[in-house]
Amino acid sequence: EDKVVQSPLSLVVHEGDTVTLNCSYEVTNFRSLLWYKQEKKAPTFLFMLTSSGIEKKSGRLSSILDKKELFSILNITATQTGDSAVYLCAVEKTGGGADGLTFGKGTHLIIQP
Amino acid sequence: GAGVSQSPRYKVAKRGQDVALRCDPISGHVSLFWYQQALGQGPEFLTYFQNEAQLDKSGLPSDRFFAERPEGSVSTLKIQRTQQEDSAVYLCASSRNNLGTGSYEQYFGPGTRLTVT
Repeated sequence: EDKVVQSPLSLVVHEGDTVTLNCSYEVTNFRSLLWYKQEKKAPTFLFMLTSSGIEKKSGRLSSILDKKELFSILNITATQTGDSAVYLCAVEKTGGGADGLTFGKGTHLIIQP
Repeated sequence: GAGVSQSPRYKVAKRGQDVALRCDPISGHVSLFWYQQALGQGPEFLTYFQNEAQLDKSGLPSDRFFAERPEGSVSTLKIQRTQQEDSAVYLCASSRNNLGTGSYEQYFGPGTRLTVT
């Protein structure tokens, strides 16, 4: 059975801190790993990772994938209160599988002023 | 707007009632997905359409759940004889590509929060 496990499940830090969110996975026919930010109802896309060791950056956010050890991390530097959200990791499969994305349970990040 | 829209945004149903949830994907998007997200959980896959064809419904939790996309654009998720365990946010997502033709990004709608009392 495919699994995506995120840790920690919740995290409270102060504004300005750096955080690292973890995502490990066990899926057959891996194609890509995606990170989403969910503030209200609909997750919004952050990163798509397909290759090991190549860091993707967007402002204060960055992410990297390790396909050998089957995990990814999402880093947020100089956190702001607007970063407070649930961060979801999802894995996409290749080939004929049509089961969309397999999501983890998310990390609930709270940034205190 | 150019995004995925869903309606209604909130629905309260009495146990045993039938409900219909609507999704308007981004124009021209081939793939459409429905997800169920329980409180505190990540979205769980329900079903997938490529144009009007429902290619995978393996995630539908019971035969009370039915989805259609008759013209390859708007989709409706219908739940018959609702039960309390059906209470969740139902998310719709669309993507421009067919599955298997390259990595893609799914664009999510705002969801419908269904509460069954």
